[in-house]
Parts: sequence; structure tokens; C-alpha cells
Amino acid sequence: EPEVTQTPSHQVTQMGQEVILRCVPISNHLYFYWYRQILGQKVEFLVSFYNNEISEKSEIFDDQFSVERPDGSNFTLKIRSTKLEDSAMYFCASRDGTGGTDTQYFGPGTRLTVL
Amino acid sequence: DAKTTQPPSMDCAEGRAANLPCNHSTISGNEYVYWYRQIHSQGPQYIIHGLKNNETNEMASLIITEDRKSSTLILPHATLRDTAVYYCIVRPYSGAGSYQLTFGKGTKLSVIP
Repeated sequence: EPEVTQTPSHQVTQMGQEVILRCVPISNHLYFYWYRQILGQKVEFLVSFYNNEISEKSEIFDDQFSVERPDGSNFTLKIRSTKLEDSAMYFCASRDGTGGTDTQYFGPGTRLTVL
Repeated sequence: DAKTTQPPSMDCAEGRAANLPCNHSTISGNEYVYWYRQIHSQGPQYIIHGLKNNETNEMASLIITEDRKSSTLILPHATLRDTAVYYCIVRPYSGAGSYQLTFGKGTKLSVIP
């Protein structure tokens, strides 16, 4: 069964450093998403991406964040200058976009730890 | 999006049916009910969704009341691996759209040996 994959599974970085989290959505899916979950809190929407541009973003997704689909298979989230409060699980998701009921499938997540 | 209300926690004996309720009294006609679960800190896992008819798949059954104001997710024979946080999410369907999911706190289901 096709699945969303994410790398790395765990990323440790120093405050102020740039990080790139990588995702490979399910092939032939058209909509891509990033969510995050701070330890003990809810899963929160960050951004959605369609047709090579951001379709929606939350207030969390400020200028420090960017997304990119650099090729036909990868979808990345970049945090330009990490802060301690960026420590969280980051989940990528995708859906095929063929209809209103199509389902979002999530990857296993990347645990980001900012020291 | 319509707001959902779920009990914070539930216990279920292994091998018994787990019935997880969800209230979505403000649901509108173009909104579907989706259920996901999250085992420990893994990515949310899709379980099932429905509009107004009851639905069943290999994982679970979804019972939606006739007025659509509430639903129940049923795991027919719960196992220890079903211990997880279960999220009931209402999502609109109206053609094209981003359709991001809004997660609440969900129900923490503990399956007890």
C-alpha cells in the first residue's frame, strides 16, 4: 500500500540554524500538507500546497517557514532560523485531490529538537 | 468547520467492542465525519469517514445518527494495539479546496488486557 515517507525521523539542531524536513508524498497525489504537534498538544495545521504554490497557511506559518516541491517526488519544509519553540513532531500529509471526499494520509513524522 | 466534542478518555477490555462517541451538533449538509487515530507520537492514521449512511471497513464501523449531530466509531474486537488517541473531525466537501484537518484533543482509548 502506498504511503507517505518522511526523513529524517529525528533531527537535532542548534537554535538559529536552518533545517529542512523532507517528505515523499504518495505518488499521483496533488495536495500536500505540513502539520506539527508540540509535545502533549494538538496536531496543528501549518500549510497546504497545490499546483506548486501555497494554497493555505496558518498563522504559525510565518516568514521563518517555507515549503518547496523541488522535483516530482519530494516536498520539503524549511525553517530558516530555528527557535526553541519549534521543537515538535512535524507531519507531512497528502491527498489525491480528485474529489471532495478524498482522504489525507499522513507520514510517520520527523521529531525536531532545537537546543 | 463544525466543532466536535469527544470524551477525553475511555477504557475497553481486550476483545470487546470499543464504542467511541463524537458530538458534532453544528455539522452542515456538506460536511463529512472523519476518524483518525494516533498511536503514541506516530502520524495520524486514517480510519474511516462518512456523510450520513453507516460505513464499515476492515478497521471499524461508523454509525451516524439520522440527524447527523453525532456519530460513534466502533472497533468490533479491540486489541492492545488499538490503544491510541482517536480523533473525530468534520471536514467540508464542496469541490476544490485545501481541506486542512482541524484536530481536537480526541479520546484516549486504553485497551486493557
